[in-house]
Amino acid sequence: NAGVTQTPKFRVLKTGQSMTLLCAQDMNHEYMYWYRQDPGMGLRLIHYSVGEGTTAKGEVPDGYNVSRLKKQNFLLGLESAAPSQTSVYFCASSRGSNQPQHFGDGTRLSIL
Amino acid sequence: GNSVTQMEGPVTLSEEAFLTINCTYTATGYPSLFWYVQYPGEGLQLLLKATKADDKGSNKGFEATYRKETTSFHLEKGSVQVSDSAVYFCAPRGGGSYIPTFGRGTSLIVHP
Repeated sequence: NAGVTQTPKFRVLKTGQSMTLLCAQDMNHEYMYWYRQDPGMGLRLIHYSVGEGTTAKGEVPDGYNVSRLKKQNFLLGLESAAPSQTSVYFCASSRGSNQPQHFGDGTRLSIL
Repeated sequence: GNSVTQMEGPVTLSEEAFLTINCTYTATGYPSLFWYVQYPGEGLQLLLKATKADDKGSNKGFEATYRKETTSFHLEKGSVQVSDSAVYFCAPRGGGSYIPTFGRGTSLIVHP
């Protein structure tokens, strides 16, 4: 049982490049989330989705876009990467709004 | 939405010492309450949960009781081990809000 799988695990980008982070879950969860984790800042919600075809902004959405075309996948895009987006990105999913979240192992992204 | 205040770390203890990590929350409704643990290089994992007032969640020797009157969910363990060294996050969920909320995290360091 894979749970939540994030791809890639590590990536180094140059300023201005674009990339997409992929999150896949095999638990048939409705809700999915993207967070970033920075030292001393805890977890900050970037975007989330309450079901296939829906997305919503979280606490820090600027510079990111998301898509949820299939229930099991939630994609996070950086259109023009900036050094301030250097972070560890976590994807999570849950069955409902008051249910526990299941997290992936993270993507470590460095932007030079 | 919900909010949470969690004691700052790091908390440094000797093996077999008693642990308390304080957590208080605010919510418009009656949220479910969770504690997550994050080991180095990994994503968050659910440690324990409680879904209604006076419920006690427990797992791996850790306990926390849902105290509605004081809006608290303090994490305790009677005898910590070196392997408990990790970052712990308190997280109220639901209670009328779709937005997940996490505390800043408390780093626990246990020395032999």
